[in-house]
Amino acid sequence: QSALTQPASVSGSPGQSITISCTGTSSDVGGYNYVSWYQQHPGKAPKLMIYEVSNRPSGVPDRFSGSKSGNTASLTISGLQAEDEADYYCSSYTSSSTLVVFGGGTKLTVL
Amino acid sequence: QVQLVQSGAEVKKPGASVKVSCKASGYTFTSYGISWVRQAPGQGLEWMGWISAYNGNTNYAQKLQGRVTMTTDTSTSTAYMELRSLRSDDTAVYYCARDYLGIAAAGTSPFDYWGQGTLVTVSS
Repeated sequence: QSALTQPASVSGSPGQSITISCTGTSSDVGGYNYVSWYQQHPGKAPKLMIYEVSNRPSGVPDRFSGSKSGNTASLTISGLQAEDEADYYCSSYTSSSTLVVFGGGTKLTVL
Repeated sequence: QVQLVQSGAEVKKPGASVKVSCKASGYTFTSYGISWVRQAPGQGLEWMGWISAYNGNTNYAQKLQGRVTMTTDTSTSTAYMELRSLRSDDTAVYYCARDYLGIAAAGTSPFDYWGQGTLVTVSS
């Protein structure tokens, strides 16, 4: 069982917007702004898409955005494209001795 | 360009140890921390621990304490992860990943560059 809770799957049509949630506790997501999101295509290493809740690294399209409310962080992808189909993982700093926790991952299907 | 190149796949018997290497290039090795993340087949990501390439400080995931050791060799810009007393549920792809924010406090930096992954299979 993962420390952060994500929906197992979401789907959307090209051009639409989708949101993936990531729910934790006040010891992780709710307590710190160290929430990141990663995209992983099959057989590939993860790619950083969002860090510190809402910041995009250079090169990540502005179609990807992040936010947080209470103990839940969210990743929104607008203008869905076929290449967005992948697994998405959230992660957060945590006050426990295990400093970083991941969500279980969400499979995004572009219909 | 920044690259993290990991050692090749390993097959180990239960109870054995494995040591995976991660050779960095394209940046100043000692200016960044390195985390190790593993992914069991068909499963999600699991953070294993972090090492500062600047001073060798480490932090390990609680469930792996006592079985994992992370080290660096600054002369070759290489990070190592050794896992002992291997069990079947240690079968996974193991990744090294660089801290995006340089020498940040352990666990607070996301990971911008990742190695290609090393498959470790534990089987009798």
